[in-house]
Amino acid sequence: NAGVTQTPKFQVLKTGQSMTLQCAQDMNHNSMYWYRQDPGMGLRLIYYSASEGTTDKGEVPNGYNVSRLNKREFSLRLESAAPSQTSVYFCASRGWGLGQPQHFGDGTRLSIL
Amino acid sequence: DAKTTQPNSMESNEEEPVHLPCNHSTISGTDYIHWYRQLPSQGPEYVIHGLTSNVNNRMASLAIAEDRKSSTLILHRATLRDAAVYYCIRQGGSEKLVFGKGMKLTVNP
Repeated sequence: NAGVTQTPKFQVLKTGQSMTLQCAQDMNHNSMYWYRQDPGMGLRLIYYSASEGTTDKGEVPNGYNVSRLNKREFSLRLESAAPSQTSVYFCASRGWGLGQPQHFGDGTRLSIL
Repeated sequence: DAKTTQPNSMESNEEEPVHLPCNHSTISGTDYIHWYRQLPSQGPEYVIHGLTSNVNNRMASLAIAEDRKSSTLILHRATLRDAAVYYCIRQGGSEKLVFGKGMKLTVNP
C-alpha cells in the first residue's frame, strides 16, 4: 500500500532554477493538494485539484504552478526558485464525500540557495 | 476562516490517558471536526474525525460537546510514539483544510 508518493525526497536548488515536484496516489482519490510547511508553522495550502482537469489556488499560490496530469498524478512546478520558497512540501489526496480525510505523503525537503 | 483554538503544548506520562482539547466556538452545523498528527520529519497523519456523535477508532476517541463548540481527542494509553504535533481542524463544504500551528504533545517515559 503505497498511498501518496512524493519525489524527490530532498532537493537543493540555486536561485532562479526551475524544478517540478512529483506526487502520485494509488487510492483512486478525486482530490489532490499541495502544501508547504515552514519551520515551526502549520501547513499552508498552495494549490489543489478537486478532480481531474481542474485546479484552484490556495492560500499561497504565488511563484508556483500545478498540473493535474491524470487522476493519479499532481505535480508542482517552481519556474524560478527563490530562497523564500525553501520549505518542506507535502502532497495529499482525499476521496469523494463530505468529511473524508486527507492522506499525506512524506514530503519533499527543498532548499534554495 | 475555519479557526480552532488549541493549547500550544501538553505533557503526559506513558501508559496514561491523554485528553487533548480543542475549541471551535464558531462552528457551523455542517462542519466536520478532523484531527491529524505530525510526527517529527513526517507528513501529517489522519487520526479521527466526526460531525456530531462521539467517534472511536483504533487510534483514539473523539468526544464532541453537545453544542459542538468544543471537542476532545482522547488517547486511551499514551505511548512514546504518540509524541507529535496534533492539529484540530474544522472542515466545511470547502475542499480546503486550514492548519493552525497545532499542539505539541510530549510523552514522558
